[in-house]
Amino acid sequence: DADVTQTPRNRITKTGKRIMLECSQTKGHDRMYWYRQDPGLGLRLIYYSFDVKDINKGEISDGYSVSRQAQAKFSLSLESAIPNQTALYFCATSGLAGTLSTGELFFGEGSRLTVL
Amino acid sequence: AQKVTQAQTEISVVEKEDVTLDCVYETRDTTYYLFWYKQPPSGELVFLIRRNSFDEQNEISGRYSWNFQKSTSSFNFTITASQVVDSAVYFCALSDYNTDKLIFGTGTRLQVFP
Repeated sequence: DADVTQTPRNRITKTGKRIMLECSQTKGHDRMYWYRQDPGLGLRLIYYSFDVKDINKGEISDGYSVSRQAQAKFSLSLESAIPNQTALYFCATSGLAGTLSTGELFFGEGSRLTVL
Repeated sequence: AQKVTQAQTEISVVEKEDVTLDCVYETRDTTYYLFWYKQPPSGELVFLIRRNSFDEQNEISGRYSWNFQKSTSSFNFTITASQVVDSAVYFCALSDYNTDKLIFGTGTRLQVFP
């Protein structure tokens, strides 16, 4: 089983619908991240969280919200999806709070979202 | 501000050719990490290498090698004797030391033709 699991892996929805992408991890990491990938733009950070009570905006947080339900779970929500949110979304985890950074992120397999 | 530039959008080579993917980064931090990830057509991100800013030794792993030069802020990736299975998008990334946030380049699509 994957250490970082994303659900759903693929989703097609309509403009205006609420969508939630879920991420769970078994690595015991405190830090979790949501990235978005668009062709030609690489991956861009949407939100990140260092622990259950900590939520931080990334470079492209507008139109998104997140919830850190537990150490192992970090959900990304699109309250009212729009077509330009069509993208590949990645969840990632890293390290333990209070420990020295190793720099390495562990990625889920990605969730492909299409907004019509 | 931190930034990673991969100027090569797409590279096409014929099998067995050597190919170098360029990566230039910007950061004011003295401690940071640099990474290369591979994204095959199936879409997952495959970790290739992590390099600490204090370690400028070049590294070789099979057909892969990496050249890290702090003087030019570059972390280039060479594939020797390329194979069709090397066809993928390759991302260079820079890590924020305090948060582990990765700043990605825009990627280089490598196509290896038989």
